[in-house]
Amino acid sequence: AQSVTQLDSQVPVFEEAPVELRCNYSSSVSVYLFWYVQYPNQGLQLLLKYLSGSTLVKGINGFEAEFNKSQTSFHLRKPSVHISDTAEYFCAVSQGGKLIFGQGTELSVKP
Amino acid sequence: GAVVSQHPSWVICKSGTSVKIECRSLDFQATTMFWYRQFPKQSLMLMATSNEGSKATYEQGVEKDKFLINHASLTLSTLTVTSAHPEDSSFYICSAGRGPSYNEQFFGPGTRLTVL
Repeated sequence: AQSVTQLDSQVPVFEEAPVELRCNYSSSVSVYLFWYVQYPNQGLQLLLKYLSGSTLVKGINGFEAEFNKSQTSFHLRKPSVHISDTAEYFCAVSQGGKLIFGQGTELSVKP
Repeated sequence: GAVVSQHPSWVICKSGTSVKIECRSLDFQATTMFWYRQFPKQSLMLMATSNEGSKATYEQGVEKDKFLINHASLTLSTLTVTSAHPEDSSFYICSAGRGPSYNEQFFGPGTRLTVL
């Protein structure tokens, strides 16, 4: 069975600094990978997805992620964060139509 | 496009009562819908997969008699928490799959259930 590991449970960062949220998955077959953001008491919003093609994926709100098959990673990056980026971020892999989620990373952007 | 709604957004009920939560895909047909449960500061746990016109498939450890799922149409799935108890208090989120392989899911805003 596939699994997803988000290596950092909390990431504090100052406003306008760059950030990387790490995600590793376990799979020996083709995968579909996703990053979602969740604001307090809300559902999940898709940031970006990798289904095939270019390994560098650009998403909404200035986020991007790179699919690295050899390292089985799909890290999320943003060159300059804003206070409004403070939220919980989930990495997920699709398996048979089901989404397997990582544990989540709480991004806290401080002024 | 691809908007999913949930109703109600929050509900408080007494122990022993049943609560129904609706999940609707507003601008697309969803052959498959998913129900998740999320405890505070935790990830989403898949409870069941709901297919239109057939019985839901429950994940291991989820009581199908307690969490009744009905997917009566291509745009509506309901989750009924029967005989609710305080330990059922949680954030319930649905999602809908679009396309033949539904590799992408669109999430509803969630329903906060509090059982007193």
